[in-house]
Amino acid sequence: QVQLVESGGAVVPPGRSLRLSCAISGFNFNLYGMHWVRQAPGKGLEWLAVMSFDGSHIYYGDSVKGRFTISRDNSKSTLYLQMNSLRFEDTAVYYCAKDLRGGSYSLIFESWGQGTLVTVSS
Amino acid sequence: DIQMTQSPSSLSASVGDRVTITCRASQSVSNFINWYQQRPGKAPKLLIYLTSRLQSGVSSRFSGSGSGTDFSLTINSLQPGDSATYYCQQGDVTPCSFGQGTKLEIK
Repeated sequence: QVQLVESGGAVVPPGRSLRLSCAISGFNFNLYGMHWVRQAPGKGLEWLAVMSFDGSHIYYGDSVKGRFTISRDNSKSTLYLQMNSLRFEDTAVYYCAKDLRGGSYSLIFESWGQGTLVTVSS
Repeated sequence: DIQMTQSPSSLSASVGDRVTITCRASQSVSNFINWYQQRPGKAPKLLIYLTSRLQSGVSSRFSGSGSGTDFSLTINSLQPGDSATYYCQQGDVTPCSFGQGTKLEIK
């Protein structure tokens, strides 16, 4: 059974950093691209970043480019999102998602975690 | 970047009805459109990918169609459990983008 479990959400003041983790089980993590998607309270979905199965292809959404970094440790079946220079508008539930296709990525989000809440507040 | 516009933003329908949600892209996305269902307090769930392909385990009451810039999601024989917000998403190019969502209420 595919499982994605996010952790690391917290309440942080503006300007601080935070690292989110997504622990994977139930499929061969090494073979799939992975994504981060967020949802601000009461708002829609915003794609943030993708990393291919081997880390060779990485792309970011415009709102987080230069501040957030996606990474993965295939030996630990874990995906990460390093978030720096956090802003009030980064307050959201952050989801990790498994790409549908093996190999690089397809931008189709097959499975999702339950999300972890990040609140940026002074 | 490609902008996705869904309509309507919300709708109300009765059990057994058929509803259609539309999604328009600001430029052609070929057939790279996916649809998700999000129930309150839950993570999104993939329903349809590549315009019309039904995700494994999803009811055949859901179907998708379209091409280029105009797409639709149709739900037949509405059930109470279909009450949710539905999102389209273009997966043609990065950054990929979602529509603003359509909230479906079952009367």
